[in-house]
Amino acid sequence: EAGVTQFPSHSVIEKGQTVTLRCDPISGHDNLYWYRRVMGKEIKFLLHFVKESKQDESGMPNNRFLAERTGGTYSTLKVQPAELEDSGVYFCASSQNTVEQYFGPGTRLTVT
Amino acid sequence: LAKTTQPISMDSYEGQEVNITCSHNNIATNDYITWYQQFPSQGPRFIIQGYKTKVTNEVASLFIPADRKSSTLSLPRVSLSDTAVYYCLVGPLGPSGTYKYIFGTGTRLKVLA
Repeated sequence: EAGVTQFPSHSVIEKGQTVTLRCDPISGHDNLYWYRRVMGKEIKFLLHFVKESKQDESGMPNNRFLAERTGGTYSTLKVQPAELEDSGVYFCASSQNTVEQYFGPGTRLTVT
Repeated sequence: LAKTTQPISMDSYEGQEVNITCSHNNIATNDYITWYQQFPSQGPRFIIQGYKTKVTNEVASLFIPADRKSSTLSLPRVSLSDTAVYYCLVGPLGPSGTYKYIFGTGTRLKVLA
């Protein structure tokens, strides 16, 4: 069974540009989570989808971040416009009615 | 959500048992304790979860005293491949078993030959 995949693995963009991160959860997992670790800090929760609905988006830092999960399958996280402080590693995780979340390898975002 | 405190780092030798203790003094009645492992350039990986007493699975044991203000992850006979960061997470389960994880700084375990 394929695990959680994330694309791209690494993205380098300039301040003010737009970047879209993609997450493909494990097939059949209704729950999808986004987390991020900015440099030197702890991993922080961003938001949680149940199928295509946003269950909890309390961790989204500001309105420059937009997450979608159309059709309840893959999810995208768009940052527009990107700022320097958005640099870090963005993790996606999925689960199906269990406490065990399966994390992807992360996307390393560098904003210059 | 309960704040956790763990040692920043630990060293051990291959074949030894490693115990990592996590303090969570203000744990709430409906909070669960979960441990994750993370290798460099990978996402965290679930190890074990418990509520009270002792939980054991194929890779680890989790000991939780009656007051639940701390917990200890026990890794039997570690190998070099167990070198990783270990996170203790405390929080309530949401609907359908969902869990909004709050990660702390973790414990960086280094296993030496």
